[in-house]
Amino acid sequence: AQSVTQLDSQVPVFEEAPVELRCNYSSSVSVYLFWYVQYPNQGLQLLLKYLSGSTLVKGINGFEAEFNKSQTSFHLRKPSVHISDTAEYFCAVSKAAGNKLTFGGGTRVLVKP
Amino acid sequence: DTGVSQDPRHKITKRGQNVTFRCDPISEHNRLYWYRQTLGQGPEFLTYFQNEAQLEKSRLLSDRFSAERPKGSFSTLEIQRTEQGDSAMYLCASGRTEREWNEQFFGPGTRLTVL
Repeated sequence: AQSVTQLDSQVPVFEEAPVELRCNYSSSVSVYLFWYVQYPNQGLQLLLKYLSGSTLVKGINGFEAEFNKSQTSFHLRKPSVHISDTAEYFCAVSKAAGNKLTFGGGTRVLVKP
Repeated sequence: DTGVSQDPRHKITKRGQNVTFRCDPISEHNRLYWYRQTLGQGPEFLTYFQNEAQLEKSRLLSDRFSAERPKGSFSTLEIQRTEQGDSAMYLCASGRTEREWNEQFFGPGTRLTVL
């Protein structure tokens, strides 16, 4: 079985500052990795995904994440955040294409002016 | 592509009543997933379908929950004899099985409140 741990439940950050959201996973098999964002009162939207290949993955809205197999991590980063990045971010894994997603508990990002 | 839709968006019911939610996936998607999200938590998998076949059901799902996808298009999730602990956001997602399409597209959710 897989599990996902998001180490920070809340991350306050000032506008135009960088942010990193940490995600560690546990699995006995190779996994696919995802980051989703949930804006207030909206559904989940995919930011980026790692299936194979380059360990540095670029997503929408200037976000990127790096897959580290030895550390079983998939941390999300953005070099300069905007007020509009205020949202909840979820890391997720699946063990095969199209399989169920196992989510972490989420990290709430609050961007301050 | 009109996206995944869910109906109703909000449901308030009394304990012991039955409720049914509907999900309409993106039209060409053959997989449909149900998740539940409680306040402050990440979504939790409930069940998923490939076409009309239910391929997996969470062990955490009680017998009061049942889901169907009779014609491989829309799906319904029914909760019988609701309990206060069933209060949550119920999320539906759809996707395709082709390897390069390993993305699940989520609907806006149905928020259930059990009084």
